[in-house]
Amino acid sequence: DAGVTQSPTHLIKTRGQQVTLRCSPISGHKSVSWYQQVLGQGPQFIFQYYEKEERGRGNFPDRFSARQFPNYSSELNVNALLLGDSALYLCASSLGGSSGANVLTFGAGSRLTVL
Amino acid sequence: QQQVKQSPQSLIVQKGGISIINCAYENTAFDYFPWYQQFPGKGPALLIAIRPDVSEKKEGRFTISFNKSAKQFSLHIMDSQPGDSATYFCAASLKGQGGKLIFGQGTELSVKP
Repeated sequence: DAGVTQSPTHLIKTRGQQVTLRCSPISGHKSVSWYQQVLGQGPQFIFQYYEKEERGRGNFPDRFSARQFPNYSSELNVNALLLGDSALYLCASSLGGSSGANVLTFGAGSRLTVL
Repeated sequence: QQQVKQSPQSLIVQKGGISIINCAYENTAFDYFPWYQQFPGKGPALLIAIRPDVSEKKEGRFTISFNKSAKQFSLHIMDSQPGDSATYFCAASLKGQGGKLIFGQGTELSVKP
């Protein structure tokens, strides 16, 4: 069975540009969460989507946005990139709902470098 | 109050030894406490998890000890192996917010042969 897949795996952008990261959850999982992991630190929560609705938002500026599609895949968009946005962006999926909601399975991440 | 504090930052253990990583939290509303293992270039992988109504959970060589009154929990890796060398993260989440994990800062474990 395929795990959580993310694309692209690596990308380089310049300050001010925009980036879109994509995530396909495990088959049957309806919830997707996005995390930012800066080198040497623990992941920080950005967004959670469940059944195409936003269920939570972390302490990130409005330059960060996300959406979930009818097939439960998700995109994370970051506008007006800053040097500090350089990080590993992780997508995690889970069953969602009242059971199994806490068991997050992470993808390998998208490594974003902003120059 | 939403923080999870993890120690030590790095740990070196001899093969066959016991690795112990500690975490502390403030928010008593947390109801789920997982530990994740992350290898370089990979995403975190769930290792073991516990809820606050249990004081200990063991899965193979990995044990979580949970002290609700002290608001602390720890990961014990018995018979540590070089293949256990990785970064370990504790985390916590509130009831009903399972998609929003609050992670500790991580512990880089190195197991020497």
